[in-house]
Amino acid sequence: EAGVAQSPRYKIIEKRQSVAFWCNPISGHATLYWYQQILGQGPKLLIQFQNNGVVDDSQLPKDRFSAERLKGVDSTLKIQPAKLEDSAVYLCASSFTGDPVYNEQFFGPGTRLTVL
Amino acid sequence: GIQVEQSPPDLILQEGANSTLRCNFSDSVNNLQWFHQNPWGQLINLFYIPSGTKQNGRLSATTVATERYSLLYISSSQTTDSGVYFCAVGPNQAGTALIFGKGTTLSVSS
Repeated sequence: EAGVAQSPRYKIIEKRQSVAFWCNPISGHATLYWYQQILGQGPKLLIQFQNNGVVDDSQLPKDRFSAERLKGVDSTLKIQPAKLEDSAVYLCASSFTGDPVYNEQFFGPGTRLTVL
Repeated sequence: GIQVEQSPPDLILQEGANSTLRCNFSDSVNNLQWFHQNPWGQLINLFYIPSGTKQNGRLSATTVATERYSLLYISSSQTTDSGVYFCAVGPNQAGTALIFGKGTTLSVSS
């Protein structure tokens, strides 16, 4: 079974530029998450989708970050304009939510963003 | 929100040694997972263990949900075990995002 796919793996941009990340979850997983991991810390949720609807975006800096999951499968996270403090690893995860008890999340390899 | 505390923050071992990593959480949870983050940043699923005990080779984990802690045991450590180990919990509601601890950085030398 293929895992969570993400691209690109690395991205270097200048501050105030824009950038986009792509994620394709595990087939059949209705729930998709974007996490931000700053160096030396654990990942923190940015946004959660259930199918193509947003479940939780309370921690998403909406003045510069946006995300969509138009067909309920793959997703795109965008930053515009980027700031120095956005340098981090952006992790996508997915889970199967057909079972109310089993809730394991699986992560992609991440995109390492450096803002200069 | 739920607080997740991991200890110790850093651990240095000789190859072949055993270790125990601890995760304390402040409220009841629906989900608890242990991950190993390799040097390339990939989070590898070790255990999905909201309660009970599981074993996978040299690794095992125990979660005592009523006392709000989980333990990860690594036996006969190898240099490839080096990296950061994260505990992450999901609040007592299915399908919610994970809240991560700060991790334990393990260094195993030969």
